[in-house]
Amino acid sequence: EDQVTQSPEALRLQEGESSSLNCSYTVSGLRGLFWYRQDPGKGPEFLFTLYSAGEEKEKERLKATLTKKESFLHITAPKPEDSATYLCAVHTSGGSYIPTFGRGTSLIVHP
Amino acid sequence: GAVVSQHPSWVICKSGTSVKIECRSLDFQATTMFWYRQFPKQSLMLMATSNEGSKATYEQGVEKDKFLINHASLTLSTLTVTSAHPEDSSFYICSARNREDQPQHFGDGTRLSIL
Repeated sequence: EDQVTQSPEALRLQEGESSSLNCSYTVSGLRGLFWYRQDPGKGPEFLFTLYSAGEEKEKERLKATLTKKESFLHITAPKPEDSATYLCAVHTSGGSYIPTFGRGTSLIVHP
Repeated sequence: GAVVSQHPSWVICKSGTSVKIECRSLDFQATTMFWYRQFPKQSLMLMATSNEGSKATYEQGVEKDKFLINHASLTLSTLTVTSAHPEDSSFYICSARNREDQPQHFGDGTRLSIL
């Protein structure tokens, strides 16, 4: 059974304090890993897609990386507006491209 | 690009009534749409997957007669909660994608409260 585990569950940072969120996966045949940001009371907002180990994507203060077992979302010098829940999801060859989501990491950035 | 519109954003109704939620892809063709339910401080729970012109595929434990899904066009899917009861109160979110290898794009959700 495909499994996606995100850690930590919650993270509190001071503004400017860089850190990383982890998404580890145990799947058969990864076909894509996706990062989303979800604000309270809203639907998730798509951030990045990663398809193969070694791939990296960047957007403003966020950088996503992928290995054969996990993905990291690095947040450099975060600001309070980066506070949100960050979700990762995977597509697998055995799952008919039905996404499996992790439980998310709730990030709070204090000014 | 890749905008998904979901309506209504908020519904309060009496127990026993049926509620319809619409999900539209505004600027792309949604060959597949997903419906999720989310409880407070929990992750997304997939309810069903629908492909345009086909019957929806429901996840285990989701009553298909309770949650009717229609995906009649490449830009519109609807979820009807029939004879809603207080335990159906939740945050419902739809998503859509164009191709299998592409990410989903989500609507802003519908907060459903059954009195």
